[in-house]
Amino acid sequence: DAKTTQPPSMDCAEGRAANLPCNHSTISGNEYVYWYRQIHSQGPQYIIHGLKNNETNEMASLIITEDRKSSTLILPHATLRDTAVYYCIVSGYNDMRFGAGTRLTVKP
Amino acid sequence: SAVISQKPSRDICQRGTSLTIQCQVDSQVTMMFWYRQQPGQSLTLIATANQGSEATYESGFVIDKFPISRPNLTFSTLTVSNLSPEDSSIYLCSVGRPGREKLFFGSGTQLSVL
Repeated sequence: DAKTTQPPSMDCAEGRAANLPCNHSTISGNEYVYWYRQIHSQGPQYIIHGLKNNETNEMASLIITEDRKSSTLILPHATLRDTAVYYCIVSGYNDMRFGAGTRLTVKP
Repeated sequence: SAVISQKPSRDICQRGTSLTIQCQVDSQVTMMFWYRQQPGQSLTLIATANQGSEATYESGFVIDKFPISRPNLTFSTLTVSNLSPEDSSIYLCSVGRPGREKLFFGSGTQLSVL
């Protein structure tokens, strides 16, 4: 079973930051938080992942709370092409299970 | 990184038949995963296929319905047997080491069963 809870949908204005929350209150000490997105019916695209420290790459930033029970994915300047379903995943070493995800709609 | 070639990209099949989906990776990988995505739904893990061992199936998925082969470190097949309209989904393969690195996904196989 998925170990994450995400809002089913969110809207964001183009050019603004998109902040996508995720709750993972049962996360274990050796489990990572991953974010993927899926545009239409394409294969999921990796965004970022982290264990306990905040992470940043060319696509996004990942903020993980100190107790690791929740995290936020930040897309700093959302564009229309960022409209997708975003999945927050808690993963151990054996498999990766997807939750329901958040459908982000970026509006002009 | 890994580049995954998944074939076919789509197919339309008659009920009662079977479809075999191929997943070819451009590098050797230990762990390979097969997922199903039903219309409008999230991805559901079908099984984990590690080279040299039998595939491990998730609850609700059985080997008779979804036989998997993993003959080497770059290739795997998933067969969806005795097709029914309920099997109409996108099937995706994925490779990587969860918890250590990112998983890479194929582009998926869109299966429609009439």
